Amino acid sequence: GDSVTQMEGPVTLSEEAFLTINCTYTATGYPSLFWYVQYPGEGLQLLLKATKADDKGSNKGFEATYRKETTSFHLEKGSVQVSDSAVYFCALSSSGGYQKVTFGIGTKLQVIP
Amino acid sequence: GAGVSQSPSNKVTEKGKDVELRCDPISGHTALYWYRQSLGQGLEFLIYFQGNSAPDKSGLPSDRFSAERTGGSVSTLTIQRTQQEDSAVYLCASSARTSGNKNTGELFFGEGSRLTVL
Repeated sequence: GDSVTQMEGPVTLSEEAFLTINCTYTATGYPSLFWYVQYPGEGLQLLLKATKADDKGSNKGFEATYRKETTSFHLEKGSVQVSDSAVYFCALSSSGGYQKVTFGIGTKLQVIP
Repeated sequence: GAGVSQSPSNKVTEKGKDVELRCDPISGHTALYWYRQSLGQGLEFLIYFQGNSAPDKSGLPSDRFSAERTGGSVSTLTIQRTQQEDSAVYLCASSARTSGNKNTGELFFGEGSRLTVL
């Protein structure tokens, strides 16, 4: 079945540091890929998405590129802020069936001033 | 409503009691999902509804868990004879359909119901 593997945290960075959170997936066909974010005390919300190979999703300074050849969707940000402290979830929506959404384990990011 | 609404936000119960968790999805969203979030476990899929039917119940952990959806809207997740390992945050999400009648895969989440079983 489909699966998503992402690096386990926590990840601690200083403000303005470069962020990479790795995500790889296993799926048949051509899934859609997503990053969701959960800020402290809040519900999960969509951060960005990509629906086909080589697409780049971007939002709030975050970017991720759908790499079919490496089955990856790594999340990057050039300069993190304290307000980016949250848990980040990589997810995929399968291309077949009912487009079941499968999540990774989540990576907690803490940004210190 | 404007977003996905879940109730109660917090529930503390004694082992062996039954609990009901409610989800009110975004109006017009035909797809509804229940997930469970435990510390260090990520999001565990429980059940998927399309309209009132549940074509995928594969994530329900045991027969103590059941869910229903009525009127293509509100869903209730019921846990019978609760156990301590049921303690978690139960998340509901809904999703719209594309013009091609497929789920978009983009989920809108409620804030969850935190269940604590003593």
